[in-house]
Amino acid sequence: EAQVTQNPRYLITVTGKKLTVTCSQNMNHEYMSWYRQDPGLGLRQIYYSMNVEVTDKGDVPEGYKVSRKEKRNFPLILESPSPNQTSLYFCASSLRGGRGYFGPGTRLTVL
Amino acid sequence: QQPVQSPQAVILREGEDAVINCSSSKALYSVHWYRQKHGEAPVFLMILLKGGEQKGHEKISASFNEKKQQSSLYLTASQLSYSGTYFCGTESPPRKTSNTGKLIFGQGTTLQVKP
Repeated sequence: EAQVTQNPRYLITVTGKKLTVTCSQNMNHEYMSWYRQDPGLGLRQIYYSMNVEVTDKGDVPEGYKVSRKEKRNFPLILESPSPNQTSLYFCASSLRGGRGYFGPGTRLTVL
Repeated sequence: QQPVQSPQAVILREGEDAVINCSSSKALYSVHWYRQKHGEAPVFLMILLKGGEQKGHEKISASFNEKKQQSSLYLTASQLSYSGTYFCGTESPPRKTSNTGKLIFGQGTTLQVKP
């Protein structure tokens, strides 16, 4: 079954404690992205990747890091989380110019 | 810069039609449409790549006017299952000849279909 998986689905953490949200896809897609969703602001792209070792900033990259060492994985790293990073995060993947598949989302709360 | 969607919210009765507009201040390479139901991930509806292109998905279709930098989503004879939030995502690569994956979504349009 074609899917994008994210882990964890829910996370409560404290300010400054480094965390990683994993994202994996089984469709051999070149493109992968991370979004955050906040009420009234829609989906905002954090980082995107066009292929292995090729990543670029989206609209709201501050406070986040990503890496793309393998085609299937695209982890999101928060080195020092702050309360303003409390949000719902989605990972997505697609072929070039193709339909996007979103993961189920990770709800992050930073206290 | 985020594309602007209008209206922000719309309430329909089953069987009625609706149009959701998406407007960008930048030249566009493509427009993507997604629907998100409450508590779920966004689900792909369609991509439009060429100026004036129109696509359909069951009773949902869309148009893309590249010159006006606008896209519209048409929902015909709406069903209860159409309820959700609709997002347009726009892509404006520097070269306008290929996509990059940098997608900017609008703030969303909430559609509620009542029996």
